[in-house]
Amino acid sequence: NAGVTQTPKFQVLKTGQSMTLQCAQDMNHEYMSWYRQDPGMGLRLIHYSVGAGITDQGEVPNGYNVSRSTTEDFPLRLLSAAPSQTSVYFCASSDRGLTNEKLFFGSGTQLSVL
Amino acid sequence: ELKVEQNPLFLSMQEGKNYTIYCNYSTTSDRLYWYRQDPGKSLESLFVLLSNGAVKQEGRLMASLDTKARLSTLHITAAVHDLSATYFCAVDGGAQKLVFGQGTRLTINP
Repeated sequence: NAGVTQTPKFQVLKTGQSMTLQCAQDMNHEYMSWYRQDPGMGLRLIHYSVGAGITDQGEVPNGYNVSRSTTEDFPLRLLSAAPSQTSVYFCASSDRGLTNEKLFFGSGTQLSVL
Repeated sequence: ELKVEQNPLFLSMQEGKNYTIYCNYSTTSDRLYWYRQDPGKSLESLFVLLSNGAVKQEGRLMASLDTKARLSTLHITAAVHDLSATYFCAVDGGAQKLVFGQGTRLTINP
């Protein structure tokens, strides 16, 4: 059972480039989310989705887009990368939202924007 | 706006000792989660606390929740080196948004 799979694990971008971070889960979870982790700041929610076709903004959505065309996949798009987006990105999923279920995290993507 | 604060942020302790990590949050919530993160790794769920007075234990770790005080504690009993990690608490902020504390980096020395 693969759980939550993120690709790539590492990425270096130049300012202004765009890219997509991939996230897939094979647990048939309805809820999926993207977090960024910066030193000393814990994890901050970027976007989340409660099911296919439904997405919403988290705490720090600016500069990022998401879509949810299938239950399994929840890609995160950086439209025009900036150095402030240098961070570690985690995708997470859970069953039935957060009512009584823990989040399962992917292994993370370390992104550097030069 | 929900704020979640952990203390201490850094903790160095000796094997065999007991200690407590505190997690305070600013607005009402009945759901709190504890996660562990090893260096360079992802987050692993430790405990899910879903009501006032909830207490969960796993090995040398015990977590509790006091929703009236807006406080959760993670107690470490007779620490061992394998428990060295960063521990995060996270609070359900409503609308299915999880707000994390800054993390407590725990180092356990022989």
